[in-house]
Amino acid sequence: QVQLVQSGAEVKKPGASVKVSCKASTYTFTTYTMHWVRQAPGQRLEWMGWINAGNGYTKYSQKFQGRVTITRDTSASTAYMELSSLRSEDTAVYYCARGVIAAGGNFWFDPWGQGALVTVSS
Amino acid sequence: DIQMTQSPSSLSASVGDRVTITCRASQSISNYLNWYQQKPGKAPNLLIYAASSLQSGVPSRFSGSGSGTDFTLTISSLQPEDFATYYCQQTYSTPTFGQGTKLEIK
Repeated sequence: QVQLVQSGAEVKKPGASVKVSCKASTYTFTTYTMHWVRQAPGQRLEWMGWINAGNGYTKYSQKFQGRVTITRDTSASTAYMELSSLRSEDTAVYYCARGVIAAGGNFWFDPWGQGALVTVSS
Repeated sequence: DIQMTQSPSSLSASVGDRVTITCRASQSISNYLNWYQQKPGKAPNLLIYAASSLQSGVPSRFSGSGSGTDFTLTISSLQPEDFATYYCQQTYSTPTFGQGTKLEIK
């Protein structure tokens, strides 16, 4: 079935960057969008941005603009999310999720990757 | 950003109960509303999309309704595997999520 497999947990120091990968399988990677969502401990889900896996177009949440970069490698069916200038508040589980778009423009996330815990600590 | 508010934030119920969770948007979002279930340590799982469409493979005891600003998720007869946290999400504009409703065993 459709599956997204993410890279493993990371521990980073404040000010560093982290890059999380998300490998897709069992569907045509370039015909969907890929979104990134994070969940800090005890907090609600927070959308970070998305990439059109076909043409590489990206859109980011205003909150993360300038710190987040989403890219993709179509030959590897893999999307990446890089977050820079890390601070302790960025400690969270980071998820990728495939965007499924309906004809009218409505969309939803299915499936999700298993998540990657990023811990920011000095 | 559009704010999503769920009620209640937590709920205790018993197996076999009928449960309703409400989600309210800060402005009209038509039917651009999705529901997810999340179990501890796991990724969210899509239950309902476009306010009332049941995702393939999701049991028919789950249903969604609403349009505009007010939406509901109903579980007709709670099963042991349904105890989890539920999130609504709007995709009318920049996606945002509700704060979650934690469904616990009474």
